[in-house]
Amino acid sequence: EAGVVQSPRYKIIEKKQPVAFWCNPISGHNTLYWYLQNLGQGPELLIRYENEEAVDDSQLPKDRFSAERLKGVDSTLKIQPAELGDSAVYLCASSTGPGTSYEQYFGPGTRLTVT
Amino acid sequence: SQQGEEDPQALSIQEGENATMNCSYKTSINNLQWYRQNSGRGLVHLILIRSNEREKHSGRLRVTLDTSKKSSSLLITASRAADTASYFCATDSNYQLIWGAGTKLIIKP
Repeated sequence: EAGVVQSPRYKIIEKKQPVAFWCNPISGHNTLYWYLQNLGQGPELLIRYENEEAVDDSQLPKDRFSAERLKGVDSTLKIQPAELGDSAVYLCASSTGPGTSYEQYFGPGTRLTVT
Repeated sequence: SQQGEEDPQALSIQEGENATMNCSYKTSINNLQWYRQNSGRGLVHLILIRSNEREKHSGRLRVTLDTSKKSSSLLITASRAADTASYFCATDSNYQLIWGAGTKLIIKP
């Protein structure tokens, strides 16, 4: 079974530039998560999808971050414009069901460096 | 805000020894999950324990949960070099997982 796929693995951009991350969850997983992880910290949820619906985006900074999950499969997270403080690892995860009773499967992450 | 807090922040032991790390949380939970993260395999789920369970085992891993003390512990027995990683507990709050900052475990040969 293929795992969660993310691309790119690394991205270096200058501040004020746009950037996009892509995630393909495990086949059949209806729930998809985007997390941000700073060095030495645990993941912080940005947005959760159930199929194509964003059911929890309360922690997504909507002035510069946007996300979509067309057709309820793969997903894209965008930052425009990027700021120095956005440097972090962006993780995508998926699970077979909603809520916290299901284990989450994580992709390798995208390490973003904003200069 | 972080619901769970792991203790210690870092732990270094000899290969073959047992490692214990703890997680404390603030509000009542339905379940608690432990994950491991290393550079090779990223974040991987280890064990989920529900609030009505007191102990669960998986191979060399043992997780306990004390809801009266709002705490959980993860025991790794007979540690191996491959156990070197950061270990996170994640608790549920409003249908999402809230993660601690993790315990960094180093296994010395």
